[in-house]
Amino acid sequence: DAKTTQPPSMDCAEGRAANLPCNHSTISGNEYVYWYRQIHSQGPQYIIHGLKNNETNEMASLIITEDRKSSTLILPHATLRDTAVYYCIVRVEDAGGTSYGKLTFGQGTILTVHP
Amino acid sequence: KAGVTQTPRYLIKTRGQQVTLSCSPISGHRSVSWYQQTPGQGLQFLFEYFSETQRNKGNFPGRFSGRQFSNSRSEMNVSTLELGDSALYLCASSRLAANTGELFFGEGSRLTVL
Repeated sequence: DAKTTQPPSMDCAEGRAANLPCNHSTISGNEYVYWYRQIHSQGPQYIIHGLKNNETNEMASLIITEDRKSSTLILPHATLRDTAVYYCIVRVEDAGGTSYGKLTFGQGTILTVHP
Repeated sequence: KAGVTQTPRYLIKTRGQQVTLSCSPISGHRSVSWYQQTPGQGLQFLFEYFSETQRNKGNFPGRFSGRQFSNSRSEMNVSTLELGDSALYLCASSRLAANTGELFFGEGSRLTVL
C-alpha cells in the first residue's frame, strides 16, 4: 500500500470548515484513498473513501487531485466533537478480497476544534 | 443494529501470564481483523480472519494468535505476556464486498501488563 504523509496537527474554529490534507504521491491506479478518524479512547471510525472522483457523504467531502497524488478531507462545519486524530490511508481494493481487513495506519493528523 | 462488541473492556495481567480477548462482529460480517494500538507504534495490524481461516498476518511474534468460529466471532490470545504488550487491542469487522472496504471497529480491550 502507498505511503501517506499528513501534517501532525491542525487547529480549526468551531463552525468553520476543516481542510485536512494528505499526500500520497506514490499511489497506484488501483489504490483507493480512505479516511478514518479516532476520537480519544474509541475505535477508529470510517469517514469516507474514493478512487479518483470527489466524494461527499453526510460526514465529509473528499477532494482528490487530478493526478491523484494528494487529497483533502473537508469537514464543512466543524464542531467540538470533531476533535480527533484523522488518518488518511491508501489501499488496494481487489475483487478477490484478500486484504479487506488490513489497513496500514500512519500517525495521522490531530485536529483540534476550538470554540 | 449492534456494533462490534469486544470483551473484556479492561484487564490487568502480570508478566508471563496469558490473555484471551473476544470480539463479536456485526451480524452478517464475515471478516474480523485485530489491531494493536500503543503510544509508540500507533495502530498496527495483527491478523485477519475470514471463514475461520487466517488470511493475513502482521509482523508480530508467535505469542500472538487468534481464531475465528463458525459464527464469525473471533478471539485473540497473547501468551507469555511482556510489559510491552500493554496496549489497546481493537477488533474490526467487514462485510467483505468489493469497493466497500469499510471497517467497523469496536471500542477495544485495554490490556495492562504489570
